[in-house]
Amino acid sequence: DAKTTQPPSMDCAEGRAANLPCNHSTISGNEYVYWYRQIHSQGPQYIIHGLKNNETNEMASLIITEDRKSSTLILPHATLRDTAVYYCIVSIQGAQKLVFGQGTRLTINP
Amino acid sequence: GAVVSQHPSRVICKSGTSVKIECRSLDFQATTMFWYRQFPKQSLMLMATSNEGSKATYEQGVEKDKFLINHASLTLSTLTVTSAHPEDSSFYICSASSLGTGTYEQYFGPGTRLTVT
Repeated sequence: DAKTTQPPSMDCAEGRAANLPCNHSTISGNEYVYWYRQIHSQGPQYIIHGLKNNETNEMASLIITEDRKSSTLILPHATLRDTAVYYCIVSIQGAQKLVFGQGTRLTINP
Repeated sequence: GAVVSQHPSRVICKSGTSVKIECRSLDFQATTMFWYRQFPKQSLMLMATSNEGSKATYEQGVEKDKFLINHASLTLSTLTVTSAHPEDSSFYICSASSLGTGTYEQYFGPGTRLTVT
């Protein structure tokens, strides 16, 4: 079973920041938080991951709470192409299998 | 990021026949490859994990004799669906990971849509 909880769906206006929450209250000390997204009928795409510090890359920012029980993925300026299912996954780093939950279906509206 | 390809992208086969799906890491050597299956409107479900040169590890409920996995080289893994039935129709996705990419992130292929008639 997935160890994360995400809202099933969210909407966001184009150009605005999209904030996707994820709860992972049972996360272990050596588990990372990974975010992937899947655009319809494509393979998942890696977005970002982190252990306890906030992370930022060209795609998104990841904010992890101090107790590590939840995190938020931020897409700073959402575009229509960001419409996808976003998966939050906790996993030990090191070629470990990923357990996908149901994810959040994010719809970016014009 | 690292690139993973799958071939074919779509395949239609008749019930009772076998189908082979290839997964290739194009610009890195994949020490570990994973095979997932995704039914419509559902999430990805891991089928098996394969390490180069060794037998695949199958998830509970996945028949190893029906879903044959071969990871003969560091850039190629194949999944063969034997004696396919309509209920095997699904979206099959592979992923690959290697420390050689700099991290252990998994990179996913574009998927193969299998339809069994």
